[in-house]
Amino acid sequence: EIVLTQSPGTLSLSPGERATLSCRASQSVSTSYLTWYQQKPGQAPRLLIYGASSRATGIPDRFSGSGSGTDFTLTISRLEPEDFAVYYCQQYGSSPPITFGQGTRLEIK
Amino acid sequence: EVQLVESGGGLVQPGGSLRLSCAASGFTFSSYWMHWVRQAPGKGLVWVSHIYIDGSITAYADSVKGRFTISRDNAKNTLYLQMNSLRAEDTAVYYCARGSGGDCSDWGQGTLVTVSS
Repeated sequence: EIVLTQSPGTLSLSPGERATLSCRASQSVSTSYLTWYQQKPGQAPRLLIYGASSRATGIPDRFSGSGSGTDFTLTISRLEPEDFAVYYCQQYGSSPPITFGQGTRLEIK
Repeated sequence: EVQLVESGGGLVQPGGSLRLSCAASGFTFSSYWMHWVRQAPGKGLVWVSHIYIDGSITAYADSVKGRFTISRDNAKNTLYLQMNSLRAEDTAVYYCARGSGGDCSDWGQGTLVTVSS
């Protein structure tokens, strides 16, 4: 099973600042199958980034994804108030097919 | 507009059963993989199961294998999760999600399952 470890667990930043979230895999992950989601309190997750670096429909260009192999990054260039949420990375592989990271909470400083 | 609406959650005693449903609309249901993902209170996302477009391929997380069964009715645009031998650790919000490649591109609002005596 591929384990995804996200860091930091909590990130405290102010609006306008840049956020960098990390997702490290225990084995190499195909870039085609590394995904990022955003979840706000009381809401379902929302697809942000698929294929490691492609933005989903309607996602602002301040969100970007990068990385390959075992190290992946989600970057939010300038934080807006609505960006404060929990972010999860996810990989799709063989067995089990899907695993999620434990999440990074992005909170207002 | 893609819509996924889960139902069937509730309070059940340990050892009991529940069947969750997910009604889909706004897309061609029979063309997509479908997933169940759960989230225990205050915890992260955990994939539970998925099913191929025609139901011929299914997979389960080890934690539910042998107890849960995923199925779909493409004529009714509905996804199901039959949950048997429920345990306290199955308590969670259960989301259905539309699959797109290896992603979960669209999610329902979730249904809460509470396993407690």
